[in-house]
Amino acid sequence: IAGITQAPTSQILAAGRRMTLRCTQDMRHNAMYWYRQDLGLGLRLIHYSNTAGTTGKGEVPDGYSVSRANTDDFPLTLASAVPSQTSVYFCASSDSNTGASTEAFFGQGTRLTVV
Amino acid sequence: GQNIDQPTEMTATEGAIVQINCTYQTSGFNGLFWYQQHAGEAPTFLSYNVLDGLEEKGRFSSFLSRSKGYSYLLLKELQMKDSASYLCAAMDSNYQLIWGAGTKLIIKP
Repeated sequence: IAGITQAPTSQILAAGRRMTLRCTQDMRHNAMYWYRQDLGLGLRLIHYSNTAGTTGKGEVPDGYSVSRANTDDFPLTLASAVPSQTSVYFCASSDSNTGASTEAFFGQGTRLTVV
Repeated sequence: GQNIDQPTEMTATEGAIVQINCTYQTSGFNGLFWYQQHAGEAPTFLSYNVLDGLEEKGRFSSFLSRSKGYSYLLLKELQMKDSASYLCAAMDSNYQLIWGAGTKLIIKP
């Protein structure tokens, strides 16, 4: 089934540990995004990638890093987790980041708890 | 700064009509999106407006006024499955989405 897949679906992580959230899409979309969603707040952009080989910082990039080695994969890494990074993380992709604006497709989310 | 405002929560009755409003302030504008998000699930696309006016898609319609920085989502013939959060998002001049906090819609029988 075509779409966007995230792993793991949930994780409890000790503070100070390193963690990589995985995201893979098979729709050949050029743009990919990582958001965090916290209660009472809108989706906030962490990092994005307009095309393979390029990445950019979003609204809340501190403490996170990304890479985009190929079109399909866009992993998000927390180098040293802190409790404030407890959140639901969504990966998304879209077919175009300029010109005609198209919808974004979302993964099912990763619920991360840092203790 | 950039900002999206929408009501936190609304309640409506099954079979009725509800209008969810959204106002936005962005640096440039490249369209207004509405997404639906059921509890514990990912957001899914509902509509996109870039020109003024009403876009109708089945029971759902979305309206945009660029001069007023205003949009609404209209849901007709409400069903219990419409209970969800509805997210408004505006695309700025850099083609980045600015998201509202979402409106939780509660449908009562």
